[in-house]
Amino acid sequence: AQSVTQLGSHVSVSEGALVLLRCNYSSSVPPYLFWYVQYPNQGLQLLLKYTSAATLVKGINGFEAEFKKSETSFHLTKPSAHMSDAAEYFCAVGNNFNKFYFGSGTKLNVKP
Amino acid sequence: NAGVTQTPKFQVLKTGQSMTLQCAQDMNHNSMYWYRQDPGMGLRLIYYSASEGTTDKGEVPNGYNVSRLNKREFSLRLESAAPSQTSVYFCAGETGGAGTGELFFGEGSRLTVL
Repeated sequence: AQSVTQLGSHVSVSEGALVLLRCNYSSSVPPYLFWYVQYPNQGLQLLLKYTSAATLVKGINGFEAEFKKSETSFHLTKPSAHMSDAAEYFCAVGNNFNKFYFGSGTKLNVKP
Repeated sequence: NAGVTQTPKFQVLKTGQSMTLQCAQDMNHNSMYWYRQDPGMGLRLIYYSASEGTTDKGEVPNGYNVSRLNKREFSLRLESAAPSQTSVYFCAGETGGAGTGELFFGEGSRLTVL
């Protein structure tokens, strides 16, 4: 069985501060891992994806995530938050064809 | 505009009524998905279709049926709507090939069942 757990349903940071959104996964085989972002009243957009080629994955808008097998984690980071980063972020896991499981989401608030 | 188009965007039903959510894509996706999004629960997979003419159940298929009659369209039907089916429904196509997980989502269909 596969699942992801996102720690913290709401995270608030100041503009310019580090963004850290946490994701832990459970998978019986090497996983594919993803981060998606959802802006208000829109569908989800793929931020980045891990497929075992490299443990540090860079995505769009300055985000990156590091795969740590020993910790079963795939946390999302960005060195300096912008107001435009305010959105809901979802971690997801999959390991074979056609079944991808999403976490419950973390809403990021960026304060001026 | 290219992408995944869902209709309707909003719908209000009474308990017991039926309806179909339509999804059409023009991105040549082989695989298509239906998810529902509920507060605090993320997205849960209802059904998916790996290719034209094939469908499979996801995590929460009860109360739903799907149809993939051609490559472009993947519809979701509620035969007898229940208040528990009040949700936002998202259709997605899979770019990058089957199993890559690179999903391209529509804008969602917000359904309220009274």
